[in-house]
Amino acid sequence: QQPVQSPQAVILREGEDAVINCSSSKALYSVHWYRQKHGEAPVFLMILLKGGEQKGHEKISASFNEKKQQSSLYLTASQLSYSGTYFCGTERVWHSGGGADGLTFGKGTHLIIQP
Amino acid sequence: NAGVTQTPKFRILKIGQSMTLQCTQDMNHNYMYWYRQDPGMGLKLIYYSVGAGITDKGEVPNGYNVSRSTTEDFPLRLELAAPSQTSVYFCASSYSVSGYEQYFGPGTRLTVT
Repeated sequence: QQPVQSPQAVILREGEDAVINCSSSKALYSVHWYRQKHGEAPVFLMILLKGGEQKGHEKISASFNEKKQQSSLYLTASQLSYSGTYFCGTERVWHSGGGADGLTFGKGTHLIIQP
Repeated sequence: NAGVTQTPKFRILKIGQSMTLQCTQDMNHNYMYWYRQDPGMGLKLIYYSVGAGITDKGEVPNGYNVSRSTTEDFPLRLELAAPSQTSVYFCASSYSVSGYEQYFGPGTRLTVT
């Protein structure tokens, strides 16, 4: 089942902060975050794993609440280059304990940074 | 490393025609995926593969077929193209299926008229 992202769109001034949320009704093994600029491929930002491990870019921060199956991406002191659409992708817990069949992506959050 | 490459970049098909979208990765990843992205929407998984000779259906497999004869290549076949298959198609690969980032190709923009 597709994770739900909120908000659908955000407009910020350069230097402001934003939080993008992703929630799922399924038990999750991991949450992935990607950013996509118009006409380009998605680019990896971060993975948050069940159990607390995180992998990703140092300048990006995120959290994963395993009890609520929710993740949040924190964008601080936003720059013009942060503009784009942010997608969360979720891996559900498989019978073996890990993810098994690829990512299910949310519909995305459009982020516009104005000078 | 070229990463994940896809050809063609753009294609226009007539209803009922068939075509193959090519995908190649040079990272020696066992796991490969095909997604489609409709305008303003997220990506939906069509098929995935966990290694040469092994493929499985994703969320939206109808109207598509895949094969995986080598680690590097994962072509997607469209049979009897329909307007509903107008979309941007992304191929991706990863080192493993659980907890590893996916590397995406540049995409193929397909229009069926």
